[in-house]
Amino acid sequence: LAKTTQPISMDSYEGQEVNITCSHNNIATNDYITWYQQFPSQGPRFIIQGYKTKVTNEVASLFIPADRKSSTLSLPRVSLSDTAVYYCLVGDGSYGQNFVFGPGTRLSVLP
Amino acid sequence: EAGVAQSPRYKIIEKRQSVAFWCNPISGHATLYWYQQILGQGPKLLIQFQNNGVVDDSQLPKDRFSAERLKGVDSTLKIQPAKLEDSAVYLCASSHPGDKGMDEQFFGPGTRLTVL
Repeated sequence: LAKTTQPISMDSYEGQEVNITCSHNNIATNDYITWYQQFPSQGPRFIIQGYKTKVTNEVASLFIPADRKSSTLSLPRVSLSDTAVYYCLVGDGSYGQNFVFGPGTRLSVLP
Repeated sequence: EAGVAQSPRYKIIEKRQSVAFWCNPISGHATLYWYQQILGQGPKLLIQFQNNGVVDDSQLPKDRFSAERLKGVDSTLKIQPAKLEDSAVYLCASSHPGDKGMDEQFFGPGTRLTVL
């Protein structure tokens, strides 16, 4: 399972765009990249998943370069309610895969 | 649709006591996961079930932890005897097989365990 590296913490202000980068140098051919969001006292919540190039949904965008050794989660115009921990996971979803949530990135959105 | 249900939400026990957590996954979800999340860390997978069979329990401390998923629906996770280092939030999640990539996991609110 590919190991991921993310910044431990980030600060932003309301209304700004936030980009969180995840490094996964040993990503395998069949691996996908998935991001989860976790608020205090709640379980993680799926945000977005992608394999290559760009994926966009109503919440975020995920940018994946051609070599796929990193990915960037982009949150447009963040609000205070986006303050949370964001986790990057890499894997192919096969059964028996050990889902590894690293320490994540703690995003603090300031007024 | 109803989400993943867990109970109790909070539990305080003394070390060497036993404790059990219950999880009811989203209806129709064949895969169920138990995670342990220690304060300040990401969730750590303890065990993964596919229906009522174990797919992965490589990180489950089997000398004290046990889990079962009878009839492929509800699941219980037990700790006996508990140690101080078991203090954590225990999260249950479920998923339904998707077309590709990692299945989206739906998490419950968790059970916060404090071992004194």
